[in-house]
Amino acid sequence: AQKVTQAQTEISVVEKEDVTLDCVYETRDTTYYLFWYKQPPSGELVFLIRRNSFDEQNEISGRYSWNFQKSTSSFNFTITASQVVDSAVYFCALSESLGADKLIFGTGTRLQVFP
Amino acid sequence: GAVVSQHPSRVICKSGTSVKIECRSLDFQATTMFWYRQFPKQSLMLMATSNEGSKATYEQGVEKDKFLINHASLTLSTLTVTSAHPEDSSFYICSAVTGRENIQYFGAGTRLSVL
Repeated sequence: AQKVTQAQTEISVVEKEDVTLDCVYETRDTTYYLFWYKQPPSGELVFLIRRNSFDEQNEISGRYSWNFQKSTSSFNFTITASQVVDSAVYFCALSESLGADKLIFGTGTRLQVFP
Repeated sequence: GAVVSQHPSRVICKSGTSVKIECRSLDFQATTMFWYRQFPKQSLMLMATSNEGSKATYEQGVEKDKFLINHASLTLSTLTVTSAHPEDSSFYICSAVTGRENIQYFGAGTRLSVL
């Protein structure tokens, strides 16, 4: 069965601190896709990244970076120099397909960034 | 990214009434849309997969007659909560899959409160 675990329920940091959100997944599939979504207080989920199981290269996008390690079944997300606007709930998700298939979500990590 | 509009954003209704929630893809056509339910401070649980022109596929444990889904066009899917009861109070959120990127983009959600 597929499962996504986000062990950190809540994280609080002060602005400009770096923060890493952990994501551990379980799947028997050899082909799968991992996602991160951000849910600000307004409610909508904002797509951040998709990674397929064959691409273990780390990715950087501005202050965001992702570390995918198949050996530990982890897909961690780091925010560098956090800002108040980063405050949100962040969800890691797993899918068997590119996107036209159901997403298995983790329980989310609530990040609060204080000024 | 693609834009998904969900309406209404909030609805309060009396027990026994039916409520319709609309999910529209504004700048793309979506043959597949998903409906999720989210309880406070919890993860998103998939309720059903909505395919244009065909019957929705419901997840185990979701009552088809209770949660009616119609995907009448490539840009619109509706979820009707029939004879709503207080236990149906929740945050309902839809997503639509872009054909080009195969990514699920989410609406802003609907908070349903049944009195």
